[in-house]
Amino acid sequence: QVQLQESGPGLMKPSETLSLTCTVSGGPLSTYYWSWLRQPAGKGLEWIGRIYINGNTKYNPSLKSRVTMSVDSSKNHFSLKLSSLTAADTAVYYCAREVCPTQGGFFESWGQGTLVTVSS
Amino acid sequence: SYELTQSPSVSVSPGQTASITCSGDNLGEKYISWYRQRPGQSPLLVLYQDVKRPSGIPERLSGSNSRNTATLTISGAETMDEAVYYCQAWHFNKVIFGGGTELTV
Repeated sequence: QVQLQESGPGLMKPSETLSLTCTVSGGPLSTYYWSWLRQPAGKGLEWIGRIYINGNTKYNPSLKSRVTMSVDSSKNHFSLKLSSLTAADTAVYYCAREVCPTQGGFFESWGQGTLVTVSS
Repeated sequence: SYELTQSPSVSVSPGQTASITCSGDNLGEKYISWYRQRPGQSPLLVLYQDVKRPSGIPERLSGSNSRNTATLTISGAETMDEAVYYCQAWHFNKVIFGGGTELTV
């Protein structure tokens, strides 16, 4: 069974760039799409974007100008960079595996999430 | 922009049937997925492609999707079903989530 684990700093300052990594175990990166999502405390889920093993990406238009995703198959992990942070980016960040992207893609496996706080 | 609308809360007595709805324009033309999120936990996929259950999800959870409304139905609700439920769909290259419905049993 695939497992996903997010890692990265828990505290960031405004205007900085967040870097998170999701390490995948129990399965290959290939043949799946890999996504980042986030959830502010007490609020709903927001999709940030996804990446495929060949590097193809798709980002949420509302975040596109600040998001960069990458994948490293040799390390079995994929990464998120989010620039120009503000307090509004404070949230739990999840990585997830997406299945059936052409038939109503859905997220069948999730990481445990990592809290990122943006504060001066 | 496209939105998925869910009622903020639903309350049922144990053993009763809970219906959680998700509405959006022409939603029946899209595939809907549902997630359960208990406090302090990651979301868990409970239904996908409108009606399919992942391994380990009990048969008393079922789904439908027609016209402008998708419904997650939980038969014989149990206290373990208490959680926030989110619907999700793709709309023009973007993933959309409903605002979530808190189910109280």
